[in-house]
Amino acid sequence: SSELTQDPAVSVALGQTVRITCQGDSLRSYYASWYQQKPGQAPVLVIYGKNNRPSGIPDRFSGSSSGNTASLTITGAQAEDEADYYCNSRDSSGNPWVFGGGTKLTVL
Amino acid sequence: EVQLVETGGGLIQPGGSLRLSCAASGFTVSSNYMSWVRQAPGKGLEWVSVIYSGGSTYYADSVKGRFTISRDNSKNTLYLQMNSLRAEDTAVYYCARALGRELDYWGQGTLVTVSS
Repeated sequence: SSELTQDPAVSVALGQTVRITCQGDSLRSYYASWYQQKPGQAPVLVIYGKNNRPSGIPDRFSGSSSGNTASLTITGAQAEDEADYYCNSRDSSGNPWVFGGGTKLTVL
Repeated sequence: EVQLVETGGGLIQPGGSLRLSCAASGFTVSSNYMSWVRQAPGKGLEWVSVIYSGGSTYYADSVKGRFTISRDNSKNTLYLQMNSLRAEDTAVYYCARALGRELDYWGQGTLVTVSS
């Protein structure tokens, strides 16, 4: 079982704002990174660090953190944002990485 | 341009061995942290292993003692030697470059199927 907990599924109306969350004890000490994965494709890094976007990631994607919860916010969701989203961070037992279980985002 | 290309996947019987390769271009493998991540069919991502630029290696508990990560600096290639394979190791295996604590470039993945 993952030490980072995500809601299995979230939906958002086209053009609206959606927040995807990730909970875990390690998030009190480490930032989460966020990955987008579309069917049949490799994951893509969308947010890392405090709130950093790699080159080419639209600015409608943003990240935040409070206590043991990290959040990925999509402001003005587009149809192409429909995908699975995974958080990752260091786990509480000291391993370099652990992934959340993933959230399937549906854009209505 | 950074590229990662995994090869070596296939169908293998339980208890068998397989070596995955990840050929990198556009950067130097030995100067970066490099990781393997896997995804079982219809499931989420699972971190498998990492090799740091200094050579230290770490493994998920699920593969510790069975898998070995390594690199060939002359070939700029990352490897994952997988021994004593089990049905639960069936997955797409991705190699990825780590930029700090995040994985910024991923390969397209290679499918490993463990079945008799």
